[in-house]
Amino acid sequence: KQEVTQIPAALSVPEGENLVLNCSFTDSAIYNLQWFRQDPGKGLTSLLLIQSSQREQTSGRLNASLDKSSGRSTLYIAASQPGDSATYLCAVPEGGSEKLVFGKGTKLTVNP
Amino acid sequence: NAGVTQTPKFRILKIGQSMTLQCAQDMNHNYMYWYRQDPGMGLKLIYYSVGAGITDKGEVPNGYNVSRSTTEDFPLRLELAAPSQTSVYFCASSYWRTGGFDEQYFGPGTRLTVT
Repeated sequence: KQEVTQIPAALSVPEGENLVLNCSFTDSAIYNLQWFRQDPGKGLTSLLLIQSSQREQTSGRLNASLDKSSGRSTLYIAASQPGDSATYLCAVPEGGSEKLVFGKGTKLTVNP
Repeated sequence: NAGVTQTPKFRILKIGQSMTLQCAQDMNHNYMYWYRQDPGMGLKLIYYSVGAGITDKGEVPNGYNVSRSTTEDFPLRLELAAPSQTSVYFCASSYWRTGGFDEQYFGPGTRLTVT
């Protein structure tokens, strides 16, 4: 059964810092991995989708990497801003299915 | 594009009451999903659908029912509400293409309290 772990559970940084969020998964037979952002009281917003054939995906100040063989992904946020404060979740498919398994998220606080 | 919409945003139910959470998407996605999110527990899949007329159970289906009569709509029915169903419910959709799925898109959620 696929399990997804995100470390750390919470992170507080000063504005301007570069930071890395980690995601690990137990079953490496995945076809993609997705990173989401969730603001308090809101739904999930997709940030990046990495296909299994890719090693990296970039969107603005965000860069996500995927190492299938080791069961790991990282989300790199450059020059963090207070508006980046949110919970970040990663999700991978269960086996080869259409069902996603989510980590519990990393709650990020960027202090001005 | 409205994306994925959900109604209502908030609801309070008494134990034993029933209700339907509405979900609609306008992206012509074939797959739709219902999740619940509880504090510290992450998102759990309740039911999903691979197309009109086809639904299947997720990880936590007990106490819920779904139907999918059109591509656009995927309502979730709660029968005989229980306090354990107090949660935030999210609907999502995605599109299957050759080689895998596109991103999942989420609705804004319905916050349900059962007392």
